[in-house]
Amino acid sequence: SQQGEEDPQALSIQEGENATMNCSYKTSINNLQWYRQNSGRGLVHLILIRSNEREKHSGRLRVTLDTSKKSSSLLITASRAADTASYFCATVFTGTYKYIFGTGTRLKVLA
Amino acid sequence: GAGVSQSPSNKVTEKGKDVELRCDPISGHTALYWYRQSLGQGLEFLIYFQGNSAPDKSGLPSDRFSAERTGGSVSTLTIQRTQQEDSAVYLCASSRRTGEMYEQYFGPGTRLTVT
Repeated sequence: SQQGEEDPQALSIQEGENATMNCSYKTSINNLQWYRQNSGRGLVHLILIRSNEREKHSGRLRVTLDTSKKSSSLLITASRAADTASYFCATVFTGTYKYIFGTGTRLKVLA
Repeated sequence: GAGVSQSPSNKVTEKGKDVELRCDPISGHTALYWYRQSLGQGLEFLIYFQGNSAPDKSGLPSDRFSAERTGGSVSTLTIQRTQQEDSAVYLCASSRRTGEMYEQYFGPGTRLTVT
């Protein structure tokens, strides 16, 4: 499969806790993006991290990238019920514009 | 401004019929992407357009699938002789340009059910 893999596949936490999800990919990349999907419909872009960056923050989001391990992690701090969604990482084969999305992590935040 | 729109939002069709799915990208976005998502699965890349050109059609599942884009704007994904395995949500996205540095803006999708 060309898809990346996210783990865990599903995650259930209490409101206020931190949520960490991981993404592994198979190709050389120039950058990696994280997206969020509510209710099985359109995705929303969250954050982009370049291959020469190791960590990036945006609000309650923290993304890390380890190109030697071909992996990335997304940390959501102080989670809220509204963070309940599926989260996907996306990469592009170097030299193409063909996006490869991971299999997604379904996050459920319990109020 | 208006986001990416897709129509219809839901489509139920009988096996063997042809369907057309439409995507209206954000105005000025030159890149347009089609994906397919089966229930509970990740996104499967189908095709992308830069302007009206589709340089890479390798993601289309079979020759029953085709896509076109006219005027650098609206795109249509056509599935001929639909099969039950074509049932999925078809998502369209656009970005200012092709390139992994540009975020994609997704439409709400078309849920296709083949009976």
